[in-house]
Amino acid sequence: AQSVTQLGSHVSVSEGALVLLRCNYSSSVPPYLFWYVQYPNQGLQLLLKYTSAATLVKGINGFEAEFKKSETSFHLTKPSAHMSDAAEYFCAVSTGTASKLTFGTGTRLQVTL
Amino acid sequence: DSGVTQTPKHLITATGQRVTLRCSPRSGDLSVYWYQQSLDQGLQFLIQYYNGEERAKGNILERFSAQQFPDLHSELNLSSLELGDSALYFCASSVRTDTQYFGPGTRLTVL
Repeated sequence: AQSVTQLGSHVSVSEGALVLLRCNYSSSVPPYLFWYVQYPNQGLQLLLKYTSAATLVKGINGFEAEFKKSETSFHLTKPSAHMSDAAEYFCAVSTGTASKLTFGTGTRLQVTL
Repeated sequence: DSGVTQTPKHLITATGQRVTLRCSPRSGDLSVYWYQQSLDQGLQFLIQYYNGEERAKGNILERFSAQQFPDLHSELNLSSLELGDSALYFCASSVRTDTQYFGPGTRLTVL
């Protein structure tokens, strides 16, 4: 069985500040980990994924995440927030190829001037 | 644009009714997944089809059923609808890869 915990349902940052969204996972097998973003009234867009290659993963829109097995974490970061980053972010885990995704509860990111 | 299409975009119906949601996967994708997003339950996996056959089942109610057709499009049938079935229903598709591409969703409102 696998699960994901996202700490903080709402995160607010100033434009230009560091973005840090936290994700911890639990998995009985080596996990595949994903971050998706959902803009209002839209579907889910893949930001980045970890699939047992490099532990530091770079994604779209300047986001990156680091897989830390010892901490069972996969936190999402971006050095400088932009107003257009305001959205809901979901961390997800799967057990591998063609497997269902188990999602966290999501973190709503607010970016203020 | 992920390449996954879902129709209709919005659906408003009454309790006790039956609806069908349709999903067309990306060209060449054999796997289709259905997810439900609600305020109560968050994003939950419902069911997966691979090349026409059911591959995995999640938290799908007995009142719900799905199928994948020879042209690989999929339909999710929801019957005896209840107020609590109001949610966003997403379809996602993938080939034999780890990445699922999501459609824009169908927003179901049960009155």
